Amino acid sequence: SQQGEEDPQALSIQEGENATMNCSYKTSINNLQWYRQNSGRGLVHLILIRSNEREKHSGRLRVTLDTSKKSSSLLITASRAADTASYFCATAPGGFKTIFGAGTRLFVKA
Amino acid sequence: NAGVTQTPKFQVLKTGQSMTLQCAQDMNHNSMYWYRQDPGMGLRLIYYSASEGTTDKGEVPNGYNVSRLNKREFSLRLESAAPSQTSVYFCASSGLQDQPQHFGDGTRLSIL
Repeated sequence: SQQGEEDPQALSIQEGENATMNCSYKTSINNLQWYRQNSGRGLVHLILIRSNEREKHSGRLRVTLDTSKKSSSLLITASRAADTASYFCATAPGGFKTIFGAGTRLFVKA
Repeated sequence: NAGVTQTPKFQVLKTGQSMTLQCAQDMNHNSMYWYRQDPGMGLRLIYYSASEGTTDKGEVPNGYNVSRLNKREFSLRLESAAPSQTSVYFCASSGLQDQPQHFGDGTRLSIL
């Protein structure tokens, strides 16, 4: 079963708009991570947020974590065509056994 | 800086054939992982190696074997390939558990 579930499954926006995607998980965690995957490539780590953090920023990325609701959100501000990719959340409740969600496919139209 | 290197990039097999997917990392990471990704889905963990000399099952280990050859290399073997194993296989590494993983670009495997 999937620990992380992303929502929406797909998102299409115009360049310059903000993109928000959500992730829910089922068990307690030490941290939650977000990854990006460009078509035909491997995953690239974007940001890690620890269970005792509520919000974290990295450039145009903003991640929030609500452990009471077991959910996280990834906000990409001022989207660019180059942000077109799939985005995955990941948790490792058992230490090494990382569980990825099914991902959100983001398409940014120029 | 190569990071994680996977070979081959593409492979077509017939049902029942065997093959080994190779993975090497040059970041001196302790932990390594093998995942499979099916269309429209996230990654599922096949096996992982927490450190040199150890391997453990992940979510979908059936039909696969692994070898942690040394700290750099972690191979995945299909002993008798089945069409259900058609997928994209990714290798990853990390310094410590629960830390960011670095991924290779995958091996696209088709089994006819």
